[in-house]
Amino acid sequence: DQQVKQNSPSLSVQEGRISILNCDYTNSMFDYFLWYKKYPAEGPTFLISISSIKDKNEDGRFTVFLNKSAKHLSLHIVPSQPGDSAVYFCAARLNTGNQFYFGTGTSLTVIP
Amino acid sequence: DAGVTQSPTHLIKTRGQHVTLRCSPISGHKSVSWYQQVLGQGPQFIFQYYEKEERGRGNFPDRFSARQFPNYSSELNVNALLLGDSALYLCASSSSGVEGEKLFFGSGTQLSVL
Repeated sequence: DQQVKQNSPSLSVQEGRISILNCDYTNSMFDYFLWYKKYPAEGPTFLISISSIKDKNEDGRFTVFLNKSAKHLSLHIVPSQPGDSAVYFCAARLNTGNQFYFGTGTSLTVIP
Repeated sequence: DAGVTQSPTHLIKTRGQHVTLRCSPISGHKSVSWYQQVLGQGPQFIFQYYEKEERGRGNFPDRFSARQFPNYSSELNVNALLLGDSALYLCASSSSGVEGEKLFFGSGTQLSVL
């Protein structure tokens, strides 16, 4: 049962443009949502997070939006840079604090 | 500061064997979690330990076990290996068992079962 879903396996964007990565979830018991970036042969690296009580969080070029009614979150990267090319995982934490659920990832390619 | 360290980085085993994977968390982090990542999928939760106690267990068979030591390092043990256990095993630490909202991952141990 996939409780966190990323329906786009891949995304290509021109350098300087906006990248939008999407994620849907089913469990209303999630209290934190996170985005991780992963390069081959490395572990996932934390990028940005948002609490379920907020609808937006910004950190430099990265903004995460949360729509609780739609159970949807998105990551915006503006402007996109070639170094952003990686696999991005959406994750959600259960409010018991002990378990995170991950999506299947979206491979982002930023074309110079 | 050192991040989460895992050993070994790669491992090849045959079916039926046993394996032990090791993890050292970020200094000051008391919670360690283990995740399995199969190719093409996202990480799947196996265990969480906090202050040497198991705080959560994912949907994995009893062949999987773990423990946490007084220095907060951890071991993941898998018995009677199956071909389907081939995966990247990720260890993550966080600053608090129930309040840490961020996981910090190591580079993982790539396990191949032949």
